[in-house]
Amino acid sequence: DAGVTQSPTHLIKTRGQHVTLRCSPISGHKSVSWYQQVLGQGPQFIFQYYEKEERGRGNFPDRFSARQFPNYSSELNVNALLLGDSALYLCASSLDGRGGYGYTFGSGTRLTVV
Amino acid sequence: DQQVKQNSPSLSVQEGRISILNCDYTNSMFDYFLWYKKYPAEGPTFLISISSIKDKNEDGRFTVFLNKSAKHLSLHIVPSQPGDSAVYFCAASAKLTGGGNKLTFGTGTQLKVEL
Repeated sequence: DAGVTQSPTHLIKTRGQHVTLRCSPISGHKSVSWYQQVLGQGPQFIFQYYEKEERGRGNFPDRFSARQFPNYSSELNVNALLLGDSALYLCASSLDGRGGYGYTFGSGTRLTVV
Repeated sequence: DQQVKQNSPSLSVQEGRISILNCDYTNSMFDYFLWYKKYPAEGPTFLISISSIKDKNEDGRFTVFLNKSAKHLSLHIVPSQPGDSAVYFCAASAKLTGGGNKLTFGTGTQLKVEL
C-alpha cells in the first residue's frame, strides 16, 4: 500500500521565484494538511484541506496558497520566495482531518532558497 | 508564543533502561496529545496519542501520561532499544473553525539509546 507521496524530494530556487509542491494522500484519505519544518524546530501548520475545501490556515503570509483536487491530491504554492522559506515541507494525510489519530506524514520536500 | 514546549533537546539512555521524554503545554483547548518519532530524511511517524479526558494510554513499550493540572505530558519507553534512537516530537491537536484539527508541535528531543 502506497503511503503519502510528495514531490519533488528536493529543489533549489532563487529568491523571488515561485514554487509548487505536490502531495498524494493515502488511498481513501480525504484530508491533506501542510506543515513547514525549519531546521531545529518542530513542524508548523500551514493549511488543512478536506473534500477540496480549506478548513484552516496557519500564521503564514498570503504568498502561501494551496488547493486540493477531486482525487484528493494537493498542491502547495509559494510566491516571491524568501531565504526564510527554506525548510522541509511536510504533507499529512488523514481520513477526515479530525481528532488525534491517523495523521500520516510523507517524507517531505526539502526546499532551499538561494 | 510557544504553546507546546520540549525543554530537553537531547536525552541519552542505556539499552534496556527506561526513556522518559517530557512535554509542557499552555493551551487548555487542546483535545488530543500525540507523540511522533522522526528519523533523518523521513517524515514524522505516529507513535501514540492520548485524549485530553484520559490520564494514561499504553501501547506495547510506549506509555503516555497526561497531567492536566500541571499541563504536562510524558512518554515512557520501556525497555529502550537502539532502534528507538530518533527525534521525538510532542504534538497537541486543536480544532479548526472549519471543522478539522491542526497539530502544534514542540521543538523535539533527540533520544540516543546506547549499547
